[in-house]
Amino acid sequence: GAGVSQSPRYKVAKRGQDVALRCDPISGHVSLFWYQQALGQGPEFLTYFQNEAQLDKSGLPSDRFFAERPEGSVSTLKIQRTQQEDSAVYLCASSLGGDRGAFFGQGTRLTVV
Amino acid sequence: TQLLEQSPQFLSIQEGENLTVYCNSSSVFSSLQWYRQEPGEGPVLLVTVVTGGEVKKLKRLTFQFGDARKDSSLHITAAQPGDTGLYLCAAPLVGDYKLSFGAGTTVTVRA
Repeated sequence: GAGVSQSPRYKVAKRGQDVALRCDPISGHVSLFWYQQALGQGPEFLTYFQNEAQLDKSGLPSDRFFAERPEGSVSTLKIQRTQQEDSAVYLCASSLGGDRGAFFGQGTRLTVV
Repeated sequence: TQLLEQSPQFLSIQEGENLTVYCNSSSVFSSLQWYRQEPGEGPVLLVTVVTGGEVKKLKRLTFQFGDARKDSSLHITAAQPGDTGLYLCAAPLVGDYKLSFGAGTTVTVRA
């Protein structure tokens, strides 16, 4: 597709349930980012991939969060044993790198009940 | 502490008025980007500024990068209801790759 695609758009999970969020970046984009955004706030960095290599995972809030990009294209953010504080919008962005700006998907709104 | 401080946090104006949003930091950036985000959507890149003192215009939007590359402003002339949204500035630290975002300015333009 022409843009970054994320699925699902909305996810409701019961506390303790595992979830997997998918990101299809723009074809050819080397860099891929995951961000977490609380309502009315700016996105907060979670993790960064350059091709298939996860170069930075310093923003992941706990070891319940795991991200992968095995073939350097599609990425999955997995959250194990979800907690209510995990409720947020999870944004994926891809970029050619450098100063060329990032292109964001529509996000996945996760609600943990 | 936010790396990028945006002000004001909220701005509500009448259609036809002008507005300015500020993005400030004590750090130097190699570049700075402005995004606009509508409810239920991801941020959309508006502009990237790279050179200190640079001014870029995008129709009724004017973006300025400070001479020292520590701050930026976004000015909207004759605002329209379609300009309503969350305006975010973002920048990578020199030598870094990940974007740090400000908390955003929520702009509401009333018809």
